[in-house]
Amino acid sequence: EAGVAQSPRYKIIEKRQSVAFWCNPISGHATLYWYQQILGQGPKLLIQFQNNGVVDDSQLPKDRFSAERLKGVDSTLKIQPAKLEDSAVYLCASSPYPAGGGETQYFGPGTRLLVL
Amino acid sequence: ELKVEQNPLFLSMQEGKNYTIYCNYSTTSDRLYWYRQDPGKSLESLFVLLSNGAVKQEGRLMASLDTKARLSTLHITAAVHDLSATYFCAVISGTYKYIFGTGTRLKVLA
Repeated sequence: EAGVAQSPRYKIIEKRQSVAFWCNPISGHATLYWYQQILGQGPKLLIQFQNNGVVDDSQLPKDRFSAERLKGVDSTLKIQPAKLEDSAVYLCASSPYPAGGGETQYFGPGTRLLVL
Repeated sequence: ELKVEQNPLFLSMQEGKNYTIYCNYSTTSDRLYWYRQDPGKSLESLFVLLSNGAVKQEGRLMASLDTKARLSTLHITAAVHDLSATYFCAVISGTYKYIFGTGTRLKVLA
């Protein structure tokens, strides 16, 4: 079974530029999560989808971050414009169960973003 | 707001020794997760604890959950170098939101 795929793996941009990350979850997984992990900290949930609907986006900075999951499969996370404090690893995860169903999440390799 | 705290934040231990990592959380949750993260890598699921008193073991790691005390422990028995990693616990806030702890960076010395 193929795991969660993410691209790009690394991205360096200057502040005020835009960037987009892509995630392809494990086939058949209903729930998809985007996390931000700043160096030395635990992952922070940004947004959670069930199929193509948003379950929770309370910690997503909506003035600059946006995310979509078209057709309930792939997802993209965009930052526009980027700030220095957005430098982090962006992790995508998926789960076969409904949101909060109690089972584990499967994480992708992450995209490491550096904003200069 | 739900807070999840782990201690210690850093742990350096000798091979062969035993130790326990603690995960405390501030509001009611009956589900707790443990993950492992190697440097520069993503997170790998270790345990899912779904009820009070749940205990799970895999190799040299054993996790337990006490929902009344809002406490989970991850016990390491006879540590080996391969266990060096950062360990995170996570709980669910409300119905949907996963909240991760601060992480415990473990280094096992030969």
